[in-house]
Amino acid sequence: DQQVKQNSPSLSVQEGRISILNCDYTNSMFDYFLWYKKYPAEGPTFLISISSIKDKNEDGRFTVFLNKSAKHLSLHIVPSQPGDSAVYFCAASAGGSEKLVFGKGTKLTVNP
Amino acid sequence: GAVVSQHPSWVICKSGTSVKIECRSLDFQATTMFWYRQFPKQSLMLMATSNEGSKATYEQGVEKDKFLINHASLTLSTLTVTSAHPEDSSFYICSGSSGRLPYNEQFFGPGTRLTVL
Repeated sequence: DQQVKQNSPSLSVQEGRISILNCDYTNSMFDYFLWYKKYPAEGPTFLISISSIKDKNEDGRFTVFLNKSAKHLSLHIVPSQPGDSAVYFCAASAGGSEKLVFGKGTKLTVNP
Repeated sequence: GAVVSQHPSWVICKSGTSVKIECRSLDFQATTMFWYRQFPKQSLMLMATSNEGSKATYEQGVEKDKFLINHASLTLSTLTVTSAHPEDSSFYICSGSSGRLPYNEQFFGPGTRLTVL
């Protein structure tokens, strides 16, 4: 049973446009959410996170939105750049635990 | 950000042999280290959690006698795949956490590609 779901395996956008990556979760105990970016043959790198006490967190071109009632979060990248092309993983943790549960990832391709 | 290294980056071995993978936190003390495996087009699956100086905690379905984890210091953890078989071929990734809650941030190594022939 997948507790963190990224239903879009891939997304393609034009450079300069907005990229929106979605993530749904089923475990209501999750209270901390993270987005990681991963290039092929490399480990994930931390991008941005959000606590369940917030509904939005912004860092430069990256904004994460959290809708607790819908158990849904999204990552917005604007403007998108070709260097953003990578696989993006959504992850969640519960109750201060250090254990993360990952989604399957969404491969983002930003076309010049 | 904090840096985690893994060695080797890739390894090919014969079925039945054992392979050791090292994970080092280079510029921070990792009170907790995690080992994941990733199959193609799948998510990172947590295999085990280890704290320095104590036994690792394995996730359900992960054979602790097959995947030996040692966390000897705050900067080094090792994963040994014993009697490897082709089905153990995968991408193994470690991560370290400095334990600064509530951010729960983990810093990942670059991964090790294991191919068992």
